[in-house]
Amino acid sequence: DTGVSQNPRHKITKRGQNVTFRCDPISEHNRLYWYRQTLGQGPEFLTYFQNEAQLEKSRLLSDRFSAERPKGSFSTLEIQRTEQGDSAMYLCASSLAAGGFYGYTFGSGTRLTVV
Amino acid sequence: EDQVTQSPEALRLQEGESSSLNCSYTVSGLRGLFWYRQDPGKGPEFLFTLYSAGEEKEKERLKATLTKKESFLHITAPKPEDSATYLCAVQETGGYQKVTFGTGTKLQVIP
Repeated sequence: DTGVSQNPRHKITKRGQNVTFRCDPISEHNRLYWYRQTLGQGPEFLTYFQNEAQLEKSRLLSDRFSAERPKGSFSTLEIQRTEQGDSAMYLCASSLAAGGFYGYTFGSGTRLTVV
Repeated sequence: EDQVTQSPEALRLQEGESSSLNCSYTVSGLRGLFWYRQDPGKGPEFLFTLYSAGEEKEKERLKATLTKKESFLHITAPKPEDSATYLCAVQETGGYQKVTFGTGTKLQVIP
């Protein structure tokens, strides 16, 4: 394993289109997190999975956002009917069972631009 | 709601000039306080976890300390490669996995 992998690295989409991002965590990490980061801000928590179960969701995660982690492996984050305010870096992270105690390993993110 | 405030927003140091970054936090119960380093275009890189007041952690030129209301990241004799944004984050007790990040301190070390 070389770390957390996110694809694509960059995505430009027109307002109203749907987009999907993929995250491949470190294989032995059973916890997976999605965060969103805008320029000059720290990452904001979106959602958390333990194995395939989505256990926490932020109020930031509107109905247009959906995340899945089938079979507890990779995860996808879909945004439907994108808006300009969705433009941000979407970060995925994974960790061992104790979560943040051992620190998250973040991927390099997917930068979304909605035009 | 958890709050994390970092200061200064930006810091410019000469190589070898030691300094400290501040992170003040408000949380109902602290489960852990984390420091991360973030380079442009990359995800944050984990540095330290601190659990209780009085605790200290060190890594190369970095030393993190924790009190009941704030944490400091001390940088001793920094080098240009230490230039990055340093993020502080907290996790509260209660079983939640959410981590709340501050906006970071952008450090520039000039040769």
